[in-house]
Amino acid sequence: DSGVTQTPKHLITATGQRVTLRCSPRSGDLSVYWYQQSLDQGLQFLIQYYNGEERAKGNILERFSAQQFPDLHSELNLSSLELGDSALYFCASSVGGHSYEQYFGPGTRLTVT
Amino acid sequence: KNEVEQSPQNLTAQEGEFITINCSYSVGISALHWLQQHPGGGIVSLFMLSSGKKKHGRLIATINIQEKHSSLHITASHPRDSAVYICAVLSGNTPLVFGKGTRLSVIA
Repeated sequence: DSGVTQTPKHLITATGQRVTLRCSPRSGDLSVYWYQQSLDQGLQFLIQYYNGEERAKGNILERFSAQQFPDLHSELNLSSLELGDSALYFCASSVGGHSYEQYFGPGTRLTVT
Repeated sequence: KNEVEQSPQNLTAQEGEFITINCSYSVGISALHWLQQHPGGGIVSLFMLSSGKKKHGRLIATINIQEKHSSLHITASHPRDSAVYICAVLSGNTPLVFGKGTRLSVIA
């Protein structure tokens, strides 16, 4: 158990809908990272927050947004969902920035039908 | 942007065999991660290294910075080692760039 929690575990929704994925980092970790893993693309970095502030942005679509709250939990919002958004979404946390070891959550499997 | 290549893509081994998974990258890095993804999907960080060699149980990770290459070795492999092994590299302050993974099956 990495200490990182993600909810929900599974999510099935229809095209055009909006969903929110939640992540709670390990106790003491200030950074939260979001990754997308699809069958054809592998793992891709989406966005990083550090102590409430956006720190780095990767291949995140404009339909997606995220935030980190004062209690350091983070939410990833996906809107106007398309079939191609079906993937595993992982959250990871670390004490500091990218140079620190990251601990991964169990992931949320999103299926868009 | 760093390109990360892993080989082989798929690997089947008999229980007890010594296994090597390779990772090459194109641009200088500050650190390299080896991750294990279980069949259920969960990801575990195995090693983070920037030079030399690290060992944890039956797992050994090495890195050659000059050759831009890292290897993950598993000694006395066991069916419970069956998983996808993913290499990821860190360059400066940029986010992790991942390889596509090596799918390992260890047969009893």
